[in-house]
Amino acid sequence: DAGVIQSPRHEVTEMGQEVTLRCKPISGHDYLFWYRQTMMRGLELLIYFNNNVPIDDSGMPEDRFSAKMPNASFSTLKIQPSEPRDSAVYFCASSHQLAGGNIQYFGAGTRLSVL
Amino acid sequence: QKEVEQDPGPLSVPEGAIVSLNCTYSNSAFQYFMWYRQYSRKGPELLMYTYSSGNKEDGRFTAQVDKSSKYISLFIRDSQPSDSATYLCAMSDQAGTALIFGKGTTLSVSS
Repeated sequence: DAGVIQSPRHEVTEMGQEVTLRCKPISGHDYLFWYRQTMMRGLELLIYFNNNVPIDDSGMPEDRFSAKMPNASFSTLKIQPSEPRDSAVYFCASSHQLAGGNIQYFGAGTRLSVL
Repeated sequence: QKEVEQDPGPLSVPEGAIVSLNCTYSNSAFQYFMWYRQYSRKGPELLMYTYSSGNKEDGRFTAQVDKSSKYISLFIRDSQPSDSATYLCAMSDQAGTALIFGKGTTLSVSS
């Protein structure tokens, strides 16, 4: 299996622009998680899905952030409008309930810079 | 107080040393405990997984959980330069929920 695939790997944009991050989970996994990592705050959950349904979005910073999972093999995280404080590395992870659901496999991340 | 506390280091040791990495937590409901390793500019990868209290060993790595003290440890024996990375502890109270991560300890093993 190719693992969790994220795109793009790097994104540089200007303040106010829309940013879309993409994730393809491991085939057969039924949980998908979006995390954000910064030096100050470490790795923090933004939102997670189970069977394509959002379960907990309490970590989404504000209405500028939205996430969708239209099918089992694809999810997007959108920031509109972007701000410099959104600069971070965004990770997608997936897991399988039959494996305990806690063993999460991470993608390589998208490094976002908002100028 | 953050739910999970982890000394950020950095920790520098010579090759062959025994390394001890630790996390403390405040939520007594946590029962799933993990250690992830993250190389620079890469995603975290699972290293050790433990349910409830006790020890687990895998090669040079040993994970310990002491729920009574709300304290978990990762020991690395015969450390190698390839072990140089950031080590993140993570935990949760239920299966299939989000993990709560420590901020990570950066380890450097010199040859």
